[in-house]
Amino acid sequence: AQSVAQPEDQVNVAEGNPLTVKCTYSVSGNPYLFWYVQYPNRGLQFLLKYITGDNLVKGSYGFEAEFNKSQTSFHLKKPSALVSDSALYFCAGFTNAGKSTFGDGTTLTVKP
Amino acid sequence: DTGVSQDPRHKITKRGQNVTFRCDPISEHNRLYWYRQTLGQGPEFLTYFQNEAQLEKSRLLSDRFSAERPKGSFSTLEIQRTEQGDSAMYLCASSSQQGAGTEAFFGQGTRLTVV
Repeated sequence: AQSVAQPEDQVNVAEGNPLTVKCTYSVSGNPYLFWYVQYPNRGLQFLLKYITGDNLVKGSYGFEAEFNKSQTSFHLKKPSALVSDSALYFCAGFTNAGKSTFGDGTTLTVKP
Repeated sequence: DTGVSQDPRHKITKRGQNVTFRCDPISEHNRLYWYRQTLGQGPEFLTYFQNEAQLEKSRLLSDRFSAERPKGSFSTLEIQRTEQGDSAMYLCASSSQQGAGTEAFFGQGTRLTVV
């Protein structure tokens, strides 16, 4: 069985401060982990992914995520938040068999 | 290329009626996924196609739900005898056949309201 958890429903940060959106996973075998962002009235947009290799992956809009096998985490980070980063963020795990599991999402609010 | 297209964007139907949604994936993508998303939750996996073959189905997909991808291009999701609990956003996504590590691209979804 595969599961992905986002322990925080909401994250609030001030513009210019670093942000972290947390994700933990439970998958058998090698995890394929993704972060997606959803803006109002828009489809989910791919941000970044971890497949193998370097534990720190860089993605769109200055976001990065760190894969930590011992802590089974894949937290999304950005060094300096922008107001325009305010959105709903989803962590997801995919398997080779085509199944996927999404977390319940974290609403990020960046205040000016 | 206009991305993944879903039609209709909104559907209101009476309980007990059948509804069908269509998804047109990105043209060169041969993997196609359907999800259901309710308010406050992440997308829940429903089913997955590789070309025209339906390779995975979630237990969420009851016998009232059926999905097809007859020629390995567009796909349809049909819900028979709709119930109020079927009210949700139905999302379609597609990806190229490069394994599970290939990112999926999502459509904007079809919002179903069963009254």
